[in-house]
Formats: sequence, C-alpha cells, structure tokens
Amino acid sequence: AQTVTQSQPEMSVQEAETVTLSCTYDTSESDYYLFWYKQPPSRQMILVIRQEAYKQQNATENRFSVNFQKAAKSFSLKISDSQLGDAAMYFCAYRSFGSGYSTLTFGKGTMLLVSP
Amino acid sequence: KAGVTQTPRYLIKTRGQQVTLSCSPISGHRSVSWYQQTPGQGLQFLFEYFSETQRNKGNFPGRFSGRQFSNSRSEMNVSTLELGDSALYLCASSPSTGGDQPQHFGDGTRLSIL
Repeated sequence: AQTVTQSQPEMSVQEAETVTLSCTYDTSESDYYLFWYKQPPSRQMILVIRQEAYKQQNATENRFSVNFQKAAKSFSLKISDSQLGDAAMYFCAYRSFGSGYSTLTFGKGTMLLVSP
Repeated sequence: KAGVTQTPRYLIKTRGQQVTLSCSPISGHRSVSWYQQTPGQGLQFLFEYFSETQRNKGNFPGRFSGRQFSNSRSEMNVSTLELGDSALYLCASSPSTGGDQPQHFGDGTRLSIL
C-alpha cells in the first residue's frame, strides 16, 4: 500500500515571501500521479497542481511549482510571492496510474499561515 | 457549470441512529468517491462508484455503505452511528475513473454524533 507523509504540521510565511511544503511518499509502482490540494476554512478541497511521475519536468501553475524527485520519492510544493489568500491546509496526495481507480491517498496535511 | 453539491451541509445525530448523505457530481461526471476527514486520522478513502458500480472500497466497517444512481448522484449511508463517526465527509467527482482525471470536491457534510 502507498503512504504519503507530510512532516510539517504547520508552516508560516510572510506576504510576498516564498515557502516550501514538504511531502514524501512510499510506493513500489513506477507510474503514478501526485497532487497538491488546498483546503481553506470554507472546507472545499481545491486542486493546486499535479505531476505525472513519468514526466521529468516539474509542474508549474502560476506562483505554485513543485520539486519532484522520483528517486528520493519526494514531492515538495513551492509557493512564491505568498498572498493572504494562500492561507489554508495543504494536502499532498498520491494516485496509482493504471489501477482504473480514482482513489487518492492523502498525507496528514500542512497548515500554512500567512502574515501581513 | 455547477460544482459538486453535498447535502446536508451540517448534521447532528445521536449514537445508534443512521444517516444518509447525498452527493450530486458535476454534470457529465460519472465517477464519485467518498472520503472521511477527521483531525486524528486525516483524509481516508471510503469508496468509489462508477456507472452505478462500486469500483473500490476503503478499510471501513460494513456500517458504511453507499450507492450510485443512474444520473451519477451518490448516497452514503452510515448505520448504528458511533461517536467516532463524527467527521467531515467529502465527496469528489471526476469525468471517468482512474488515469489523470483530477477529482473535484464538494464542500462536505459535517456530521456530529452526540
């Protein structure tokens, strides 16, 4: 079974600064997908960014980028130019590639605090 | 396009009762998954439905069950409620199952057991 570990329960950043959230995972599969989801106090889980394991290039979405290290099984999220609206719980998630299932395995989450 | 709709938003029940939660996926989405979110256990997968068939099931007791209708709407039922069932229940939909299909989540149903 796959596991996802987020070792930082809470992180703090000031507006306009950059912060990196860590995620490691354990799997014996060679192909899979990795995701970062954001959950603000409104509770809705919002997809931030996704990465296909077979792609070498790190995914980027505006101010959000990932550092995907397949050999190290590491998938960190970098948020540049942090904004107050980025404050939320961030979850790293894993999905198998060829199982035919949509099941996501989540980490415990990292609470991101953003101060003015 | 309307998002994933979960009803009710809040629910209070007592031990021993049963409850039914509803999820309407995004129009055209045929896969619906359910997750339980608690402070201690985090997000845990309950089950996934596709074309009215349960495709995958998480490690939960038989008190937790679900179904999907022909219009892709899904319901989740929990019988003989226990205090530990207090949680946020999230529903997610995607156009199909597996692959790189991102899941779109609803706002969840907050279930409190007294």
